[in-house]
Amino acid sequence: DIQMTQSPSSLSASVGDRVTITCRASQSISTYLNWYQQKPGKAPKLLIFAASSLQSGVPSRFSGSGSGTDFTLTISSLQPEDFATYYCQESYSRTFGQGTKVEIK
Amino acid sequence: QVTLRESGPALVKPTQTLTLTCTFSGFSLSTSGMCVGWIRQPPGKALEWLALIDWDDDKYYSTSLKTRLTISKDTSKNQVVLLMTNMDPVDTATYYCARSRGVAGDFDSWGQGTLVTVSS
Repeated sequence: DIQMTQSPSSLSASVGDRVTITCRASQSISTYLNWYQQKPGKAPKLLIFAASSLQSGVPSRFSGSGSGTDFTLTISSLQPEDFATYYCQESYSRTFGQGTKVEIK
Repeated sequence: QVTLRESGPALVKPTQTLTLTCTFSGFSLSTSGMCVGWIRQPPGKALEWLALIDWDDDKYYSTSLKTRLTISKDTSKNQVVLLMTNMDPVDTATYYCARSRGVAGDFDSWGQGTLVTVSS
């Protein structure tokens, strides 16, 4: 199976900061990469699909990039409602990354 | 509006078989490209994909758990059922069902999840 490695596992940031989360696949997955946001006690929410396509209703401050094995989720200006855990997921064997927790500095 | 809801026992004993049902609305599993999957999350841990069934009744399983899993669908009832045999305390988790837009797609709509505890 494909392994997905996210970094960092957690980060502290302030409102207004630019935040970048990285996801690396153990083999090439083209652009078959999705990003989810999960808040405590809630189901995950799809943010980005196919590496860079913004899901309907998701604010434009979220963006995704990458192809092959290296991918990035960027939040251009962190908002209070963005403090959550973020997961990448590849679509071949549907493996999730271990998550990145974004906390308030 | 797409909705999914998981149902099943909150508590199962070790070695028992878990049966979870996902009841959905707002789409049909007979529509080409539509899939429903199961994902779980142990308390405080990451998401783990378990199984997926597509509109053509093809089934896909996690490599590590495939000997214990069976997924099926009842298109007329808009339901997908997951069986997991030989439950163990390490299987304690919140179990989610979610819609997938294609066999190699994302999960764009999720149920609220159901917590299953495995304990004697």
